[in-house]
Amino acid sequence: AQKVTQAQTEISVVEKEDVTLDCVYETRDTTYYLFWYKQPPSGELVFLIRRNSFDEQNEISGRYSWNFQKSTSSFNFTITASQVVDSAVYFCALSESSGANSKLTFGKGITLSVRP
Amino acid sequence: GAVVSQHPSRVICKSGTSVKIECRSLDFQATTMFWYRQFPKQSLMLMATSNEGSKATYEQGVEKDKFLINHASLTLSTLTVTSAHPEDSSFYICSASQDIPFLDTQYFGPGTRLTVL
Repeated sequence: AQKVTQAQTEISVVEKEDVTLDCVYETRDTTYYLFWYKQPPSGELVFLIRRNSFDEQNEISGRYSWNFQKSTSSFNFTITASQVVDSAVYFCALSESSGANSKLTFGKGITLSVRP
Repeated sequence: GAVVSQHPSRVICKSGTSVKIECRSLDFQATTMFWYRQFPKQSLMLMATSNEGSKATYEQGVEKDKFLINHASLTLSTLTVTSAHPEDSSFYICSASQDIPFLDTQYFGPGTRLTVL
């Protein structure tokens, strides 16, 4: 069965620090999809990234970067030079299929607090 | 693109009444919509999956007669909490996806906070 583990529950950093959010997944499928979502205090889940299992290239988007390593079943998320607006709950998720009906398995989420 | 709305954002109702929550995909046709429930400081729990024109598929342990889901069009799904009780108080979130390769990511609505008195 698929599983997503976000071992860190709460992280607190001071503004401008770099922070890495860990995500470890379990799946028996060779094709799967990984996601990160951000949930700010307002409640809406904001899609950040989707990564296919056959694409191990790391991705950078502004201050955000993602490190996908199949060898360790990890898909870690790094925020560089964190800002107060980055304060939110971050969820990592896994899907074992593609298509509109694909269900997501979520981790428990990591609460990130960025202090001024 | 990929904007999903929910209405209402907050609702307070008396025990025993029914509450309807709407989920709309504003700029795309959603083949599938999902309904989640989230308790404070917890992850999302999938309640059901609905496809346009079909009966919803409920997750184990979710009462389908309690949580009525209708997906009448490619842009609208509704969740009705029937005979609501205080234990139904929660944050309900919908998501929508389309059946197009590489565009089948779930995009989420802003959520509805239900309080049952």
